[in-house]
Amino acid sequence: QVRLQESGPGLVESSQTLSLTCSISGVSINSGGYYWNWIRQHPGKGLEWIGYTYYGGNTYYTPSLKSRVTISEDSSKNLFSLRLTSVTAADTAVYYCARSAGDFGNSIDYWGQGALVTVSS
Amino acid sequence: DVQLTQSPSSLSASVGDRVTLTCRASQSVSFYLNWYQQKPGRAPRLLIYSASNLYSGVPSRFSGSGSGADFTLTINGLRPEDFATYFCQQSYSGPFTFGPGTKVEIK
Repeated sequence: QVRLQESGPGLVESSQTLSLTCSISGVSINSGGYYWNWIRQHPGKGLEWIGYTYYGGNTYYTPSLKSRVTISEDSSKNLFSLRLTSVTAADTAVYYCARSAGDFGNSIDYWGQGALVTVSS
Repeated sequence: DVQLTQSPSSLSASVGDRVTLTCRASQSVSFYLNWYQQKPGRAPRLLIYSASNLYSGVPSRFSGSGSGADFTLTINGLRPEDFATYFCQQSYSGPFTFGPGTKVEIK
């Protein structure tokens, strides 16, 4: 049974760095054919794909956030992380970690429950 | 970036109805189009991948079709648990964008 669980501060001050961790169980982050994603959802809004890590630390970020985002993995702990620098109120959102699978057309087959992060001024 | 539009943005339907949701891409995404269902306070759930493939455990009343830039999600015989918001997503080229969603409400 694959499970993903986000953890991290629920409140971040404006201009500071948002840091979240996604703990994976039921599958190794080193398993081939998977991409490990971060996605966010602003309150009452749609979904925004942030980026992913794959194949031992390779990454791809959405261009609009690329200058502020880092996604990294720790295979020894079977987790991956999100760092978003210089946050503003516009970064207040529910952040999801998720797995996408090549066998399923790179669709997202497993999601974490989501972590609400509020940026305070 | 590939832009996705969904129509309608919302619809009201009754239990038992057949509903069709559409997703249009700004350029061809081949068949790399996925559909998700999301209920309030919950993470999205994968329904259809690669345009027309039913994901494991998803009821057969859900079906998807299309290729290139035009896609549809059909629900045959709407059930009470189907009232939710439905998002499409392209996984053809990064960034892997989502559509704005269609909210299916009870009439």
